[in-house]
Amino acid sequence: EVQLVQSGAEVKKPGESLKISCKGSGYSFTSYWIGWVRQMPGKGLEWMGIIYPGDSDTRYSPSFQGQVTISADKSISTAYLQWSSLKASDTAMYYCARFRRPKSTVTSFDYWGQGTLVTVSS
Amino acid sequence: DIQMTQSPSSLSASVGDRVTITCRASQGISNYLAWYQQKPGKVPKLLIYAASTLQSGVPSRFSGSGSGTDFTLTISSLQPEDVATYYCQKYNSEGTFGQGTKVEIK
Repeated sequence: EVQLVQSGAEVKKPGESLKISCKGSGYSFTSYWIGWVRQMPGKGLEWMGIIYPGDSDTRYSPSFQGQVTISADKSISTAYLQWSSLKASDTAMYYCARFRRPKSTVTSFDYWGQGTLVTVSS
Repeated sequence: DIQMTQSPSSLSASVGDRVTITCRASQGISNYLAWYQQKPGKVPKLLIYAASTLQSGVPSRFSGSGSGTDFTLTISSLQPEDVATYYCQKYNSEGTFGQGTKVEIK
């Protein structure tokens, strides 16, 4: 069974750093691109960026380029999303999701993580 | 950048009604379009990919159509469990989502 299990909710102060995780299982983690999606409170879905764990090829939405870093450790089948200096406006639910076809980004997401709620408040 | 615009933003319909949601791309995207359902407090779920292919396990009352710039998601007979927000997403390059359509029961 394909599963993406994300790390737990975080409460941070502005200016702090954070790294959240997404662990894949039940499939070949290195063969499928993984994406990160933001959902701010009461708002829609925003595509942040993607990574291919096989070679760590990474692409960012222009809206998120320079604001976050996406990485992966294929030895433990885990993708990461990190911030170096959080802002209150980073408060949101963050989802990881797997692309439906192996080695392809020209496809939809099929499996999603359960989401990680990040709250940034002084 | 290609923008995805959904309409309406929300709708209210009766159980058994036929419901149609529209998604328009600002440039042609062939059939590189998916639809997702997000129930309140839940994770998004893939309904349809390649504009019209039903994901395994999704009820047949859901269908999708369109190509190029104009796409539709149709629920042939609305059920109480279909209360959700529905999002379209293009995926030919950056995977931009539409702003969502909230579906409620009248």
